[in-house]
Amino acid sequence: EVQLVQSGAEVKKPGESLKISCKGSGYSFTSYWIGWVRQMPGKGLEWMGIIYPGDSDTRYSPSFQGQVTISADKSISTAYLQWSSLKASDTAMYYCARLLKGHGAFDIWGQGTMVTVSS
Amino acid sequence: EIVLTQSPGTLSLSPGERATLSCRASQSVSSSYLAWYQQKPGQAPRLLIYGASSRATGIPDRFSGSGSGTDFTLTISRLEPEDFAVYYCQQYGSSPTYTFGQGTKLEIK
Repeated sequence: EVQLVQSGAEVKKPGESLKISCKGSGYSFTSYWIGWVRQMPGKGLEWMGIIYPGDSDTRYSPSFQGQVTISADKSISTAYLQWSSLKASDTAMYYCARLLKGHGAFDIWGQGTMVTVSS
Repeated sequence: EIVLTQSPGTLSLSPGERATLSCRASQSVSSSYLAWYQQKPGQAPRLLIYGASSRATGIPDRFSGSGSGTDFTLTISRLEPEDFAVYYCQQYGSSPTYTFGQGTKLEIK
C-alpha cells in the first residue's frame, strides 16, 4: 500500500524549534516530489513548498520562503518540515502529500501533524 | 499569481440531488493542471479529479470534472450521504506554484 505516515502532534512554546516528519512507503520515494500543505484552524489549504527526495531539489512558496525549511533523507524515505523559531501563528495542521507525476496534483496525503504553539 | 475563486461558498442540497461546484481562475489555467479534492472533518484531503476531468484511483463515477481556460466545474451526479464535505480546487503553475481555492462546503439541506 502506498502511504505517507506523519509524526505525531506537537505542543511547543513560541521561540522553540521543531522538525516534523513524513515517511513514505509502498513506492519509490526518490521518484516523486513531496509537498507540504498548511491548514490553519477552520481555514483552507495553503501550499508551503515541495522537495524531490531523489536529489533534494526544493522549491518554496514565496509566502513561506525563509520561514520554514524542507528537507529529506532518502535513505529512510522521510521528508521533513522544520522551524527554527516558532510563532503562535504557526499553529495549524500540516500535511505532506505526494505529487502525481505530470499533473501537478497531490494524490497521496499523510494523515496530518497538528502543531500547537502556545505560551 | 493565479487566484482561484470557488462558488458558492456553501451549497445546501439533499441526498440524491445533483451538485455543481464552480472554480474560476484569475488567468487561464492549463487543463492538465487543475485538480479537485474532498476533505471531511478531521481527515486529510483526498484527490478526486486531476487534469480537470480524470478521476483519481477509486473515485466513484458520480464525480466528474469539466472545464477549461478559467472556468472549471466539479459535478456530483447524485449525492450520497458520504459526499457532504468541503471541496477544494487547485492549480499548478510555473515556478512552481500550487494554488488552492478557498473551498466550497457542501452541506445537507
